[in-house]
Amino acid sequence: DTEVTQTPKHLVMGMTNKKSLKCEQHMGHRAMYWYKQKAKKPPELMFVYSYEKLSINESVPSRFSPECPNSSLLNLHLHALQPEDSALYLCASSQEGGPDTEAFFGQGTRLTVV
Amino acid sequence: RKEVEQDPGPFNVPEGATVAFNCTYSNSASQSFFWYRQDCRKEPKLLMSVYSSGNEDGRFTAQLNRASQYISLLIRDSKLSDSATYLCVVNPQGGKLIFGQGTELSVKP
Repeated sequence: DTEVTQTPKHLVMGMTNKKSLKCEQHMGHRAMYWYKQKAKKPPELMFVYSYEKLSINESVPSRFSPECPNSSLLNLHLHALQPEDSALYLCASSQEGGPDTEAFFGQGTRLTVV
Repeated sequence: RKEVEQDPGPFNVPEGATVAFNCTYSNSASQSFFWYRQDCRKEPKLLMSVYSSGNEDGRFTAQLNRASQYISLLIRDSKLSDSATYLCVVNPQGGKLIFGQGTELSVKP
């Protein structure tokens, strides 16, 4: 069973809505990640937090806003999304954001934008 | 050229077969390498890390050739439960895991 917990598992939202995805881990990991995965495609990196600071932003549109309130929690705030943003959003964590990083994934939030 | 390239398959093999997956990466400074497995509509799960000396875990063997920038995964005695997509993952710099497009494996009875 995954030790990275994501909520909600499924989310349907309109293009004018504001919603948040949540991720939690209690493994003491200091790096946390958001990935986006479309059907039949590999996960694509969005953001990396290392020691609660944003270290990588892969030129993600501002309608996606990450937040790391503490070392165990990671949020992704969503606002004014487009239908093409519908995807599986995966959170992951690793011991540190350095080399030899083995990342562990949550079960994901399946997002549909209508 | 993609940073990480894999043959997408699908590979359709009978139970008991040996199957090999290959992966190439473009960044010679890449530092760490992994194979993940992803079942349909599930999250990726770490299968094994890949080291220059090669490593084996039961029926699974992973190899890394830094000179050729090439990674492989060998599965012996395939089981029905091995059916999944296998993702080659490279860490070109700290914290930035890059996924290949995945290779789909279907093991048939």
